[in-house]
Amino acid sequence: QQQVKQSPQSLIVQKGGISIINCAYENTAFDYFPWYQQFPGKGPALLIAIRPDVSEKKEGRFTISFNKSAKQFSLHIMDSQPGDSATYFCAASYKGSARQLTFGSGTQLTVLP
Amino acid sequence: DTGVSQNPRHKITKRGQNVTFRCDPISEHNRLYWYRQTLGQGPEFLTYFQNEAQLEKSRLLSDRFSAERPKGSFSTLEIQRTEQGDSAMYLCASSLPGVETQYFGPGTRLLVL
Repeated sequence: QQQVKQSPQSLIVQKGGISIINCAYENTAFDYFPWYQQFPGKGPALLIAIRPDVSEKKEGRFTISFNKSAKQFSLHIMDSQPGDSATYFCAASYKGSARQLTFGSGTQLTVLP
Repeated sequence: DTGVSQNPRHKITKRGQNVTFRCDPISEHNRLYWYRQTLGQGPEFLTYFQNEAQLEKSRLLSDRFSAERPKGSFSTLEIQRTEQGDSAMYLCASSLPGVETQYFGPGTRLLVL
């Protein structure tokens, strides 16, 4: 299975709160898991990525948590800001697939001021 | 600007017409990918080039679609006899050899009337 399932579809958070987006995958061949941020009318921009040999990766306010046994990974945005309002996509790839990215369906995040 | 560039940014055409999009990857990125993104969905892989060789094609890439990368630098994606179902954002991404990270361009939004 190539599918990556993402939830929730939409998320509303107060400024300063924590935003949490979850993804699950089936294909155990996946070995690279990036998160992309997309603003309306723009292309996706890489936020942060993780490989399955680590359980957590943090970059600034963004943290990926990875659970290999459950085949799940999540994005945590700490101290969410109105400027974080965008659509977030999880994705996965593996070497044997020419590194083509399989994307989740996206989460539209709104951070209220 | 040293990022991935795509032209045109927007294209409106009538059903049955042919359209061609161009992608200029980041310099020295020998891997180039095309994705299609419909409204409210994540990008879906279409095709992959390593240098000038087209090595992977998705089942989404019907025989009306053709992609080229003649000199291993820029790439073109042509859609012949466009249909209303072709309306989407067409995204191009590039990466360095042996590196998982893909950098996306701003996309070409196609509307078929």
